[in-house]
Amino acid sequence: EVQLVESGGGLVKPGGSLRLSCAASGFTFSSYSMNWVRQAPGKGLEWVSSISSSSSYIYYADSVKGRFTISRDNAKNSLYLQMNSLRAEDTAVYYCARVACRLSCYLDYWGQGTLVTVSS
Amino acid sequence: QSALTQPRSVSGSPGQSVTISCTGTSSDVGGYNYVSWYQQHPGKAPKLMIYDVSKRPSGVPDRFSGSKSGNTASLTISGLQAEDEADYYCCSYAGSHGVFGGGTKLTVL
Repeated sequence: EVQLVESGGGLVKPGGSLRLSCAASGFTFSSYSMNWVRQAPGKGLEWVSSISSSSSYIYYADSVKGRFTISRDNAKNSLYLQMNSLRAEDTAVYYCARVACRLSCYLDYWGQGTLVTVSS
Repeated sequence: QSALTQPRSVSGSPGQSVTISCTGTSSDVGGYNYVSWYQQHPGKAPKLMIYDVSKRPSGVPDRFSGSKSGNTASLTISGLQAEDEADYYCCSYAGSHGVFGGGTKLTVL
């Protein structure tokens, strides 16, 4: 059974940093690209970042570029999101999601999410 | 990249059919078959319902179907059931970036 479990969320002051983790199990983690998607309270989904299976390709939404860094450790079956210079508008539930590709690519499994609150 | 456009809400009675639209541009929805749909119940993680515009993952009821015409994709739910009440999001994901619709709240009357 595919499982994705996020951790590392919490309360942080504006300008602070936080590192999210996503522990993967039930599939060959090193074979899949992974994404982070976030959802502000009461709002819709927002794609944040993606990383290819071997970390060769990394992409960010304009809203987080230069502040967030996605990474992975295939030996530990783990995905990370280092978040720096946090702003109030970064407050959201952060989900990690696995990317599957057929004719197109899509997010076939999601974690339960971890809440990040940026407030003084 | 701008979010895809979805109606904020739709509703229907049990047994009826509803359709949720998702409008993009020729650079996303219209240009490729990179459309997927996700269902999200309150407090829960999103769940994949449709991929490649019209394909259903294993376990998703065949009451859910997807289509596309030009720059607009659609999700149709037939034979509405109470458990279908949720938020629905379309997504155009090209590998290098993804863009979601604003979400549609489906109410089963």
